[in-house]
Amino acid sequence: KAGVTQTPRYLIKTRGQQVTLSCSPISGHRSVSWYQQTPGQGLQFLFEYFSETQRNKGNFPGRFSGRQFSNSRSEMNVSTLELGDSALYLCASSLEGQGLELFFGEGSRLTVL
Amino acid sequence: DAKTTQPTSMDCAEGRAANLPCNHSTISGNEYVYWYRQIHSQGPQYIIHGLKNNETNEMASLIITEDRKSSTLILPHATLRDTAVYYCIVRVASGTYKYIFGTGTRLKVLA
Repeated sequence: KAGVTQTPRYLIKTRGQQVTLSCSPISGHRSVSWYQQTPGQGLQFLFEYFSETQRNKGNFPGRFSGRQFSNSRSEMNVSTLELGDSALYLCASSLEGQGLELFFGEGSRLTVL
Repeated sequence: DAKTTQPTSMDCAEGRAANLPCNHSTISGNEYVYWYRQIHSQGPQYIIHGLKNNETNEMASLIITEDRKSSTLILPHATLRDTAVYYCIVRVASGTYKYIFGTGTRLKVLA
């Protein structure tokens, strides 16, 4: 069974640009959540989607947005990039029900210059 | 979600048991204790979770105190590949999948 796939794995952008990251969850998983990881702030929750609906949102500015498609694949977008947006962006999928184990992808490492 | 407190770092000799403590004194009755680990530059990996009974799986054991205010993750025979950051999280086991990760414990297994 394939794991969570994130693309691209690495990317470099400049300030003011925008970026779109993609996440394909494990087959059958309908929940997808996104996290930002930086050395200073650690792992921080961005948002979670279930059945194409945003179910919860972390404390990030409106420049961070996401969506989920009918096949459960998800994308997140960051507009007007800032230097502080440089981070590892992790996507996790989960099977609805008891347990709530998260299965993480390898992440997309974004560098903003 | 309840907050957790973990030591910043720990060392363990290879082959010995690694015991990683976690304090969660404000845990609610319906909140579970979850453990994840993150090996350098990889996504976090689920290890184990429990409510009030001790739990064991192929990776580790989880011991939760009777008052549920603290727990210990035990890696019975640590190997060099267990070197990672270990996160203890408490949360309800239903509804949203929002997790609040703390700073975790950096475990270094020494040869």
